[in-house]
Amino acid sequence: EVQLVESGGGLVQPGRSLKLSCAASGFTFSNYYMAWVRQAPKKGLEWVATISTSGSRTYYPDSVKGRFTISRDNAKSSLYLQMNSLKSEDTATYYCARIGYLPGYNSYYYVMDAWGQGASVTVSS
Amino acid sequence: DIQMTQSPASLSASLGETVNIECLASEDIYSNLAWYQQKSGKSPQLLIYAANRLQDGVPSRFSGSGSGTQYSLKISGMQPEDEGDYFCLQGSKFPYTFGAGTKLELK
Repeated sequence: EVQLVESGGGLVQPGRSLKLSCAASGFTFSNYYMAWVRQAPKKGLEWVATISTSGSRTYYPDSVKGRFTISRDNAKSSLYLQMNSLKSEDTATYYCARIGYLPGYNSYYYVMDAWGQGASVTVSS
Repeated sequence: DIQMTQSPASLSASLGETVNIECLASEDIYSNLAWYQQKSGKSPQLLIYAANRLQDGVPSRFSGSGSGTQYSLKISGMQPEDEGDYFCLQGSKFPYTFGAGTKLELK
């Protein structure tokens, strides 16, 4: 069974840093792209970061680029999100997601096909 | 960035009723469209990917259609367990973007 378990959330002051972890099990972690997605309280979902299988390629939206860093340790089947210079608008539940490579009609598609239970991050003084 | 306009924002359906939710992309996303269900206090669950492919284990009353910029999710026969929030996600181009969501309730 695929399991993704986030940890490291909590209350942090604006301008400070926090690092989230995601422990993966039930699949060959090193074969999958991975992602972080967040959801502000009572709001919709926002993609935060994606990392390639080896970790050599990373992708971010402008809202977190330069402040957040996604990384992975394939030997430990773990995904990380280092968050620096945190702002109140970063307050959200952060989900770790596996990106599967799934077959379509005549092509394959990268799809977030498994999600963790989420880690809550509150940025407040 | 590709904008995903999802409608309606909320709806209420009776048991057995057919439900339709739509997502309109600001540009062609070449069927790189997924639908997720999120129940209260839970993480999102994948329902449909590649616009119309049913994820393993998802009931067949869920179906997806569309191409280009217009996509829809259909629930053929509303069930109590279908209550929740539904989101579309485009994976055609970075930054990936979600629709704002549809809150579905049982009438």
